[in-house]
Order: sequence, then structure tokens, then C-alpha cells
Amino acid sequence: DVAMTQSPLSLAVTLGQPASISCRSGQSLAHREGKTYLTWFQQRPGQPPRRLIYQVSNRDSGVPDRFSGSGSVTDFTLRISWVEAEDVGVYYCMQGTHWPWTFGQGTKVEI
Amino acid sequence: QGLLVQSGAEVKRPGASVRVSCKASGYNFLTNGISWLRQAPGQGLEWIAWINPLNGDTFYTKMIRGRLILTTDTSTSTAYMELKSLTSDDTAIYFCARDSLESYNWIWGQGTLVTVSS
Repeated sequence: DVAMTQSPLSLAVTLGQPASISCRSGQSLAHREGKTYLTWFQQRPGQPPRRLIYQVSNRDSGVPDRFSGSGSVTDFTLRISWVEAEDVGVYYCMQGTHWPWTFGQGTKVEI
Repeated sequence: QGLLVQSGAEVKRPGASVRVSCKASGYNFLTNGISWLRQAPGQGLEWIAWINPLNGDTFYTKMIRGRLILTTDTSTSTAYMELKSLTSDDTAIYFCARDSLESYNWIWGQGTLVTVSS
């Protein structure tokens, strides 16, 4: 199974300031079809997760543009340009290139 | 847009089985896979299995293979998971999801809490 390692595991942020979460995979996530299946999810307390970003850098509909994803091969980053109160929660990266799909441990973002 | 509605919370004894349903609406049930994931109390997300409702193909993680059975009923657009030989380690919220690695949206069920306790 492909190990996904996130850092930091906990992040205290200031409203209006940027934040960044790193995700590293144990193998290249470049798929033979030319795509890289790295996904970011946000999970607010007591709710199911919500997908924010797919294929490294594509934002889902309705996701604020202060969220952005970048990276390639084994190193990926989720950035929040400026943190708002509603961004509190746990953020997970997930790889879908290799079976089984695997998640990072999660990064808890708090104000 | 699509919606997945799961069955209600369950409390089971160790060694028992549990069946959770996941009813889809608002999209063509046959066109996308259904993933099952779980989240133990205070822990992260774990993807455990997948089924293709069109042809019944399944994939199970090594850890759960042999105890988990996924099925679908295409006449009612419902997916089922049955987990056998429950232990306390199976206590978790179980989510079904219309998964997506592409641009169409990923839809989550609301989650079903399964508690295994003697």
C-alpha cells in the first residue's frame, strides 16, 4: 500500500494569515494515463468530509479560491491564502493512483 | 447533484455481523463506483472497499478482505456492505461515497455509526 505522510499534523493559524499543509507519498502518483490522482478533503467537526481539490490542483465547484493545490510525483501541498474561521477542521490528502486508495493521517487546523 | 442516504446506527456484540445500506438518488447509479470508508472514533479516514454497480466488480483492502461483502441492488439504487466477525476494532463511522477522481463531484453518505461492544 502507498503510504501518505502529512505534515504538520496540527496547525494553529491566525485569521487572515496563510496556511500550508504538505503531503508526501511513498511512490510516484503519476498514473500511466498521464494524470496524477492526488485529492484533498476537508472534514469539519461532526460532518462527512468534503472534497476540495482533485488531480493535485483542480478546485471543486463551490470551493473558495483561497484554497489551492500544487505539487507533482511524490510531493504535494495544500495552501490556504488567508484563513477564515470556517476553515477550522481536519484536512486529508488521498491518493487514487494505486489500489488500495490511501489517506494521509490528517492535519488538524485550528485558530 | 446526487444524494446518498445510509441506514441508521447499529450496536452489535463481538462476533456478530452488521449490514449497512446506502441508497442513491439524483444520479445514474450505474455510472460510478461506490466506495466504502470508515473512521474510528477520533481517528482518520480509511478506505476499505469499492464496488462497480454496473458489473459487480469489487475491491477489498487486505485488512478487511474475507470479512466484508459488498453488494448492490440496481432496482433500488442501493449499495450494501456486510461486515462479519465484528471486533471492537470495527467500531467506527462507516461512510459510503460515490467516489470520483475526476471533475464530477464526490458524494458522501451521512455516515453510519457501528458500535461493537459486549
